[in-house]
Amino acid sequence: GQQVMQIPQYQHVQEGEDFTTYCNSSTTLSNIQWYKQRPGGHPVFLIQLVKSGEVKKQKRLTFQFGEAKKNSSLHITATQTTDVGTYFCLAGGTSYGKLTFGQGTILTVHP
Amino acid sequence: NAGVTQTPKFQVLKTGQSMTLQCAQDMNHNSMYWYRQDPGMGLRLIYYSASEGTTDKGEVPNGYNVSRLNKREFSLRLESAAPSQTSVYFCASSRKDGEAFFGQGTRLTVV
Repeated sequence: GQQVMQIPQYQHVQEGEDFTTYCNSSTTLSNIQWYKQRPGGHPVFLIQLVKSGEVKKQKRLTFQFGEAKKNSSLHITATQTTDVGTYFCLAGGTSYGKLTFGQGTILTVHP
Repeated sequence: NAGVTQTPKFQVLKTGQSMTLQCAQDMNHNSMYWYRQDPGMGLRLIYYSASEGTTDKGEVPNGYNVSRLNKREFSLRLESAAPSQTSVYFCASSRKDGEAFFGQGTRLTVV
């Protein structure tokens, strides 16, 4: 079945440093979504990537979808304390209706 | 527009007791999902429903049953609760390959 690996599992940074999390799939994906979950909260949608090689930006966040549509990354430039939380990728595969999460990267930002 | 509503928000059960977690969405989505999240862990899919009248097992279905009552409602039942089912449960809904919307979560403790 479809598997999605997300790395790293944890990342501790000083405020102002950059942060990147990666998702890798064993199969070609139809799309990939990224979510953020604040401590004690629920996952909230950030963005969806659909096209091969797609790059999208949201302020300090840059999202990329690989050429083969098997991997993706989320990069945060100059982290702030408000970036704290867990970042998940969610892979849309070929199985209709089934969404598989990556394990998530827990980001801690030290002021 | 309430989005995805889960009840209850908190629950404590004794081992062997049964309960049903309720979930309703008002966005006319076909797909609905139940996930569990253990401390420091990612979200694991329990069951999903790609459309009204259909349900399928996810990664961790043992000990759970689901009912897609209608297009709006998707319930999760624990027939005989076990301490290993202590977790936070999230319901979500989406259009096919679309953004997933999550409920606020149910924090379940089984003692």
